[in-house]
Amino acid sequence: EIVLTQSPGALSLSPGERATLSCRASQSFSSSSLAWYQQKPGQAPRLLIFGASSRATGIPDRFSGSGSGTDFTLTISRLEPEDFAVYYCQQYGSSQLTFGGGTKVEIK
Amino acid sequence: QVQLVQSGAEVKRPGASVKVSCKASGYTFTGKYIHWVRQAPGQGLEWLGIINPTAGGTSYAQKFQGRVTMTRDTSTSTVYMELSSLRSEDTAIYYCARSERALSWFDPWGLGTLVTVSS
Repeated sequence: EIVLTQSPGALSLSPGERATLSCRASQSFSSSSLAWYQQKPGQAPRLLIFGASSRATGIPDRFSGSGSGTDFTLTISRLEPEDFAVYYCQQYGSSQLTFGGGTKVEIK
Repeated sequence: QVQLVQSGAEVKRPGASVKVSCKASGYTFTGKYIHWVRQAPGQGLEWLGIINPTAGGTSYAQKFQGRVTMTRDTSTSTVYMELSSLRSEDTAIYYCARSERALSWFDPWGLGTLVTVSS
């Protein structure tokens, strides 16, 4: 099973600041088979990024994904008030799909 | 629009089974896959498995092998997830989610079904 480790566990930032979230895999998997989700309290996760760097429909361009191999990054260029949430990465490069433990982006 | 509508909250005793449904609409049911993911209170996301609505083929996470069963009813575009031998650690919100292929991202997700296991 591929273990995804997200860091940091929590990030305290102000609106307008840049957020950089990391997702590291325990082993390499099928290229770019990584997605990012946003989850707000009481809501289901929402797809942000698939294929490591492709934005899902309706996702603002302040969200961007990058990386390959075992190291992936989600960047939010300028935080808006609605971006404070928990973010999860997910790999679909192996038959046992797995998620990272999440990064909480909090208002400073 | 694509929608996944899940059944309501359940309360079960330890050792019992629970069956959660997920009704799909807004797309061709047999054209996509359905996954099940759960989230324990205050915790992260955990994948349980996948079902191919076309032929009913399934693949389960190793952790849940022997305890989870996923089925589908093509006449009602509904997928079911049954989890047996419930224990308190199974208390969680259970989500269904659609994917384009077996190995793929999830979009959209259902709103979730809270399953509480308590004596």
